[in-house]
Amino acid sequence: GENVEQHPSTLSVQEGDSAVIKCTYSDSASNYFPWYKQELGKRPQLIIDIRSNVGEKKDQRIAVTLNKTAKHFSLHITETQPEDSAVYFCAGLSGTYKYIFGTGTRLKVLA
Amino acid sequence: GAVVSQHPSRVICKSGTSVKIECRSLDFQATTMFWYRQFPKQSLMLMATSNEGSKATYEQGVEKDKFLINHASLTLSTLTVTSAHPEDSSFYICSAVPSNNEKLFFGSGTQLSVL
Repeated sequence: GENVEQHPSTLSVQEGDSAVIKCTYSDSASNYFPWYKQELGKRPQLIIDIRSNVGEKKDQRIAVTLNKTAKHFSLHITETQPEDSAVYFCAGLSGTYKYIFGTGTRLKVLA
Repeated sequence: GAVVSQHPSRVICKSGTSVKIECRSLDFQATTMFWYRQFPKQSLMLMATSNEGSKATYEQGVEKDKFLINHASLTLSTLTVTSAHPEDSSFYICSAVPSNNEKLFFGSGTQLSVL
């Protein structure tokens, strides 16, 4: 089955700087990679996703890059703001709709 | 996006009692729903896959008699924590995937505290 590793576990950046979170996956058959943002005590919210036939996808200040050969994908947040502070999870697919989540990255944006 | 509703949001119960958590897909049909458990500052751990009209599929290490799952309709799955103990205290969260759409949508979660 799929195994997803995520780094770093914690990340602190100054407001306005960029943040990068990386994930690696094991199943070469995986073809869909979402990123979720979870604020304390709340549900994870899908913020961006990418399919395996695309190398990069961008949505305003958020972007995701995918390297299928190396089996890793990254979340990039530019011009970070205090409201970006949250826990971010990557996920890989194992079987039909069975998502395996990374261990999470606690992002703190310092004002 | 699709809406998944989960109730209750918080429950406090005595040790030995059972607690039922409901997960509903409000604007789509979900033949499959998922139940996750999340400890503080940890990731989402898949407990089981709930299949409409058939038995749930449990992950390794999850006791099916402890965590009863019923998926009686295309919009409702329930998780019952039987004979709850303090170690069952956790954040339980359900999710579902709309048909023809691989995006996973989450319920709002249930914080269970067993005294």
